Amino acid sequence: EPEVTQTPSHQVTQMGQEVILRCVPISNHLYFYWYRQILGQKVEFLVSFYNNEISEKSEIFDDQFSVERPDGSNFTLKIRSTKLEDSAMYFCASSLSGLAGNEQYFGPGTRLTVT
Amino acid sequence: QKEVEQNSGPLSVPEGAIASLNCTYSDRGSQSFFWYRQYSGKSPELIMSIYSNGDKEDGRFTAQLNKASQYVSLLIRDSQPSDSATYLCAVRASTGRRALTFGSGTRLQVQP
Repeated sequence: EPEVTQTPSHQVTQMGQEVILRCVPISNHLYFYWYRQILGQKVEFLVSFYNNEISEKSEIFDDQFSVERPDGSNFTLKIRSTKLEDSAMYFCASSLSGLAGNEQYFGPGTRLTVT
Repeated sequence: QKEVEQNSGPLSVPEGAIASLNCTYSDRGSQSFFWYRQYSGKSPELIMSIYSNGDKEDGRFTAQLNKASQYVSLLIRDSQPSDSATYLCAVRASTGRRALTFGSGTRLQVQP
């Protein structure tokens, strides 16, 4: 069964450093998403991406964040200058369409620890 | 602020019983509703989606939607210890939006 994959599973970085989290969405899906979950808190939407551009973003997704689809399979989230409060699980998700059948399938996540 | 509310639990049921999980949402324009299961330290796993008022059944799971009451529920029949997890309700708001808004989840414990 096709699934979303993410690398790395765990990333430790120092405050102020740049990190890139990588995702390979399900191959025939067209919509891609990033969510995050701070330990003990809700899953929060960050951004959605379609047709090589951002289609929607939350207030969390400020200028420190960027997304890219560098090739036909990868989807990345970059955090330019990490802060302690960026420590969280970051989940990539994908869906076939953006219409009513918008079932989003999540990857296993990357645990980001900022020290 | 669009909210999705769930009782945090834990909800404890004996093995073989029916577990009933509830969720309310504040945005009356919400279009799509999803239940995810999340084991500790793992990612959300999609269990059910529901878009229309009424019931939708899939195996041991039944999702129920009442848009007038802004209420969605998940019933798990013949609960198993392996069903012990946190169940997340997620709502997609108005047409044209892609983001899911998640509740904080209900922790279910199935006692053998």
